[in-house]
Amino acid sequence: EPEVTQTPSHQVTQMGQEVILRCVPISNHLYFYWYRQILGQKVEFLVSFYNNEISEKSEIFDDQFSVERPDGSNFTLKIRSTKLEDSAMYFCASAMGVQPQHFGDGTRLSIL
Amino acid sequence: AQKVTQAQTEISVVEKEDVTLDCVYETRDTTYYLFWYKQPPSGELVFLIRRNSFDEQNEISGRYSWNFQKSTSSFNFTITASQVVDSAVYFCALSEARNNDMRFGAGTRLTVKP
Repeated sequence: EPEVTQTPSHQVTQMGQEVILRCVPISNHLYFYWYRQILGQKVEFLVSFYNNEISEKSEIFDDQFSVERPDGSNFTLKIRSTKLEDSAMYFCASAMGVQPQHFGDGTRLSIL
Repeated sequence: AQKVTQAQTEISVVEKEDVTLDCVYETRDTTYYLFWYKQPPSGELVFLIRRNSFDEQNEISGRYSWNFQKSTSSFNFTITASQVVDSAVYFCALSEARNNDMRFGAGTRLTVKP
């Protein structure tokens, strides 16, 4: 069964550095999402992306964040200048239509 | 705005007991989707079920069953004859048809003891 792939599984970065989290969605999917889960807390929506543009974003998704689909297969989340509070598990998801969403296994981001 | 409440933070049961995880939601939309996900200690999100707002039929899948009641805005999840491998955090989530983002509840940590 096709799946969403996220790399790396664990990323350690110094505070203030830029980080790019990578996702390869399922190949025929059209809708792409990023979610965040701070340790021990709930999963929070960050952004959805369709037709090469952001379709929805939450209040968490501020100017520090950006998303891109650079080559038709990858879907990336960039955090420009990381803060300690950006430490979390980041989940990518994709969907063919509006629903259902298929989640990747997540990237654990640790900011030192 | 959509909202999901899972009032039970943690539940602990002994193996073979039945357990029900509660989920209450809020939405202004008439068309929406409800989900349950399991998050084992390894951290990934495992999809369990999706229900749309027009389908109130309850569903059973093996030891799992779901009770969707629009009248009380609830979508409860029951595990029958629980097993140690059921130990995980379970999330209920809601998505409105007019946008795609999913709103998750805070999760219920289920511990099944042998």
